[in-house]
Amino acid sequence: DAGVIQSPRHEVTEMGQEVTLRCKPISGHDYLFWYRQTMMRGLELLIYFNNNVPIDDSGMPEDRFSAKMPNASFSTLKIQPSEPRDSAVYFCASSSGLSRGYTFGSGTRLTVV
Amino acid sequence: AQSVAQPEDQVNVAEGNPLTVKCTYSVSGNPYLFWYVQYPNRGLQFLLKYITGDNLVKGSYGFEAEFNKSQTSFHLKKPSALVSDSALYFCAVRDSWGNFNKFYFGSGTKLNVKP
Repeated sequence: DAGVIQSPRHEVTEMGQEVTLRCKPISGHDYLFWYRQTMMRGLELLIYFNNNVPIDDSGMPEDRFSAKMPNASFSTLKIQPSEPRDSAVYFCASSSGLSRGYTFGSGTRLTVV
Repeated sequence: AQSVAQPEDQVNVAEGNPLTVKCTYSVSGNPYLFWYVQYPNRGLQFLLKYITGDNLVKGSYGFEAEFNKSQTSFHLKKPSALVSDSALYFCAVRDSWGNFNKFYFGSGTKLNVKP
C-alpha cells in the first residue's frame, strides 16, 4: 500500500490566487481528515469526512476554505482567495475505525506570498 | 472538553540514556490515547495506542507508554535513546464521548538525543 498520497508537496502562490490541495486516502479507509500545522497553532483539524460525506467542518477557518470528497479515493481542499496567513503545512489523514490511529500523508507545504 | 497537554516543548537526552516524554489528558469518558512521531518534512507516524487492557503499551521502534488513570497521564518512554529518535512527538486523545472520530493533539515535544 502506498499510504496516503498528497499533492503537491510544495506550493508557492501569490496572494489572491486559488489553491487546490489533493489527497488520495488508503484504499478501504472510510474516514478522511484534513489538518493544518503551523508553529503558532500546532495541528488543527479543519474538516473530516466519513464515507465521502463531510461530518464536521467546524475547524474550517473561513468561507475561503472548502473541501470536497467526490469519491472514496480522492479529496480536495481549496482556498480561494489565498492569503499569506494561510501559509502552513496541510496534512491529509485517513482511518478505518474508531480504535484505529490515523495514517498521515507527507503533507503539502503552502506558501502564500 | 477533550484535550491533551504536553508540558515540555523540548526534551534533551544523551544517547543510551532512558527518555520520557510527558503527556496528560482530559476526557469525559474512557480515553483512547495515541502517540505519533514526526520527522522533518514528513507526516505524523503512528507509534502506539492505548484503548483498554494493560497499562503498559508497547509500540514501534522500542517505544512504550504507561497509562496512569489516577494521574491522567500517558507518558512515552524508551529505555535507551538513539540519535535517530530525535524528532517531534505528539500525544493525542480520541474523543470517546460524542464525536468519536476527532483527535485532539498536544502541542508537540521536540526530542533531542545527543551522541
